Amino acid sequence: EAQVTQNPRYLITVTGKKLTVTCSQNMNHEYMSWYRQDPGLGLRQIYYSMNVEVTDKGDVPEGYKVSRKEKRNFPLILESPSPNQTSLYFCASRPDRGLSVAFFGQGTRLTVV
Amino acid sequence: DQQVKQNSPSLSVQEGRISILNCDYTNSMFDYFLWYKKYPAEGPTFLISISSIKDKNEDGRFTVFLNKSAKHLSLHIVPSQPGDSAVYFCAVTGANSKLTFGKGITLSVRP
Repeated sequence: EAQVTQNPRYLITVTGKKLTVTCSQNMNHEYMSWYRQDPGLGLRQIYYSMNVEVTDKGDVPEGYKVSRKEKRNFPLILESPSPNQTSLYFCASRPDRGLSVAFFGQGTRLTVV
Repeated sequence: DQQVKQNSPSLSVQEGRISILNCDYTNSMFDYFLWYKKYPAEGPTFLISISSIKDKNEDGRFTVFLNKSAKHLSLHIVPSQPGDSAVYFCAVTGANSKLTFGKGITLSVRP
């Protein structure tokens, strides 16, 4: 089954404790991205990657890092999480950077206390 | 600066009636427009799309209309069903490939 898989689904952590949210897709998609969803703000792009070893900032990249060492994986790294990063995070993948449909993971609910 | 605006945060309709969800965008260079549907505790799922060369695309109960001169698109759901109750996101993309989303509209379909 074609899918985008995120882990964990839920995470509660403390301020400053590094964490990684994993994202994996099995569709051989080139383009992957991370979004956060906050009440009243919709979905905002954090980082994106057009292919292996090619990443760039989205609209709200502060406090986040990403890497794309393999085509299928695109982890989101919070080196020193803060309470304002409490949010619902979604990973998405698309076949390419053209006019294509994005497929989303199930989401990761992160709470930073 | 919001490039994609969904000005109504919520909409409530009676089962069987039409739901009309609106979306406005600011950049005339956008050339592909999509609607996503999101249930609680799930990721957004693709619903329907339209390219800038068309003004209407239909898929079953769902129709998307594009008015390029007004930079406006709308999603029509006919007839609405209780299972359609969800958050609907409008999204746009163009030459830079970035997918930009609106804030979403919460649709409630009353039985």
